[in-house]
Amino acid sequence: QVQLQESGPGLVKPSETLSLTCAVAGYSISNTYCWAWIRQPPGRGLEWIGSFYPGGNTYYSPSLESRVTISVDTSKSQFSLKLTSVTAADTAMYYCARRVPGSGGPHDYWGQGTLVTVSP
Amino acid sequence: DIQLTQSPSFLSASVGDRVTITCRASQGISSHLAWYQQTPGRAPKLLMYAASTLQSGVPSRFSGSGSGTEFTLTISSLQPEDFATYYCQQLNSYPLTFGQGTRLEIK
Repeated sequence: QVQLQESGPGLVKPSETLSLTCAVAGYSISNTYCWAWIRQPPGRGLEWIGSFYPGGNTYYSPSLESRVTISVDTSKSQFSLKLTSVTAADTAMYYCARRVPGSGGPHDYWGQGTLVTVSP
Repeated sequence: DIQLTQSPSFLSASVGDRVTITCRASQGISSHLAWYQQTPGRAPKLLMYAASTLQSGVPSRFSGSGSGTEFTLTISSLQPEDFATYYCQQLNSYPLTFGQGTRLEIK
């Protein structure tokens, strides 16, 4: 059974860097599936942040691209999100997810999410 | 970016009703569309992919159709556990995008 678990600080100060990790169990992170971060501000809809492929290709949301980095540590079976220069608008539930490879592949497994609040 | 517009944004219905949610894409996305269900406090759950393929374990009262720019999700007979928010997502090209969501509530 594939399981994903997000972890990281629940409170980040404005202008600082948000750092989250997603631990993956039950599937090798270096295999063909794609790994993604998705967020949801309180009371609002879902926003894709970015995706990482084991071959090294990474794709980011154009609205976040200048501030976001997704990286993978295959030795620890985890991948990470860094978002710099955060503001209150970055307050959200952050989810990690696995995406099925191939055109049109959906996000089939999700973590439970971790709430990050940006506040002084 | 490909914009997805769901309608309605809010839907009130009763147990046993048949409901349909529409998702329209700003440009053609073939059948590269997925539907997710989200209940309060929970992560989204994959219901349907490739527009009309039911994810394993999802009840057969859920069905999907469409291709190109117009897609629908239908629940044939609402059950109490179906009252949730539903999102469509296009997976045709990056950046990936979601619809704004349809909140389905009990009448």
